Amino acid sequence: AQKVTQAQTEISVVEKEDVTLDCVYETRDTTYYLFWYKQPPSGELVFLIRRNSFDEQNEISGRYSWNFQKSTSSFNFTITASQVVDSAVYFCALSELTDSWGKLQFGAGTQVVVTP
Amino acid sequence: KAGVTQTPRYLIKTRGQQVTLSCSPISGHRSVSWYQQTPGQGLQFLFEYFSETQRNKGNFPGRFSGRQFSNSRSEMNVSTLELGDSALYLCASSLAYGQVTYEQYFGPGTRLTVT
Repeated sequence: AQKVTQAQTEISVVEKEDVTLDCVYETRDTTYYLFWYKQPPSGELVFLIRRNSFDEQNEISGRYSWNFQKSTSSFNFTITASQVVDSAVYFCALSELTDSWGKLQFGAGTQVVVTP
Repeated sequence: KAGVTQTPRYLIKTRGQQVTLSCSPISGHRSVSWYQQTPGQGLQFLFEYFSETQRNKGNFPGRFSGRQFSNSRSEMNVSTLELGDSALYLCASSLAYGQVTYEQYFGPGTRLTVT
């Protein structure tokens, strides 16, 4: 069963628009970690953020922000004032304590297309 | 610090052959994980190695195997290649202390094409 759901397959925006990527996860563990990665056309996965299940503080890093809500099992990602360089596939991933050794479970990814 | 490196970057093999892919982790990272990425199945976990031991394995047939050396470099091997093994194979390394899960840093991948 898919444990990480990224319902949006593709999002197209014009530069400077904000874009929010949804991520819903499923786990019975009380301790788990959530991640976001970016995969630009070059193919290499770039780490963006790690969040553990006990830290529900939202985080902002430059134009990026993340909203973690355990009540709805969601970990959404917002890009503010998008730029063409933000065009990539974005993946949300889950690591569960009970199956944690080196295993990230990825969602299907959301393709973000930013046009000038 | 140098990032994760993978060799070769591209490979073309014929059905039935075997292939070995190599991964050098970031210095100081002792955990190495491997993933397969395909358009149909997405990113799927293959296995993870730490201190030359396989600690975790995904749902892949026994044709997929790996190993880790004392310097933390890792190799994965696929025997009796099938057309469906065509994929981008990604290696990732991370710190590993206790039960904490650290972020993984990925290499550029090896693009394997099986004909």
